[in-house]
Amino acid sequence: AQSVTQLGSHVSVSEGALVLLRCNYSSSVPPYLFWYVQYPNQGLQLLLKYTSAATLVKGINGFEAEFKKSETSFHLTKPSAHMSDAAEYFCAVRANTAGNMLTFGGGTRLMVKP
Amino acid sequence: DAGVIQSPRHEVTEMGQEVTLRCKPISGHNSLFWYRQTMMRGLELLIYFNNNVPIDDSGMPEDRFSAKMPNASFSTLKIQPSEPRDSAVYFCASTAGGPPYEQYFGPGTRLTVT
Repeated sequence: AQSVTQLGSHVSVSEGALVLLRCNYSSSVPPYLFWYVQYPNQGLQLLLKYTSAATLVKGINGFEAEFKKSETSFHLTKPSAHMSDAAEYFCAVRANTAGNMLTFGGGTRLMVKP
Repeated sequence: DAGVIQSPRHEVTEMGQEVTLRCKPISGHNSLFWYRQTMMRGLELLIYFNNNVPIDDSGMPEDRFSAKMPNASFSTLKIQPSEPRDSAVYFCASTAGGPPYEQYFGPGTRLTVT
């Protein structure tokens, strides 16, 4: 079975500081991995995806994530936080047992202090 | 593309009433998902359709919930009778199927049952 663990339900950083949101997954086959962002009162928006083409994946708004197979991790980073990055972030992995389903982590709420 | 369309965006109803939520997936997508999001339980998959056929409804809370997909461009989620604990944001998502399996989410319907 697939699973996704996001360490830290809340992360607070200062504006301009590094953003690091952690995601670890379990998968018995090479995974497809995703990060989604949810702004208040909106749906989830795809931030980036890993499809085995490259281990370092760049997404929208300056975010990137690195796939590390040995660590079963797919952490999300951004060099310099903006106030507009305040949102909830979800890591997801494609469940290999049933077609097109994704398994989502519990989410991490990012707060950016001025 | 218009993206995934959901209606209504907000619904307030009294306990015991029937509620119908609607979703139009992205044209050409063959899989559709209904999710529920609450503070307590996070994001939960309720049901998943592939080519208009329900594939996995193990997340449907109880018999009060039902979902249909009469054609490739329309799905409904019905709650009858509604209860206060059904208050949540309900999301619809769709995917084209096959790798890389990313899902596209609608803006959600915020349901309040009083």
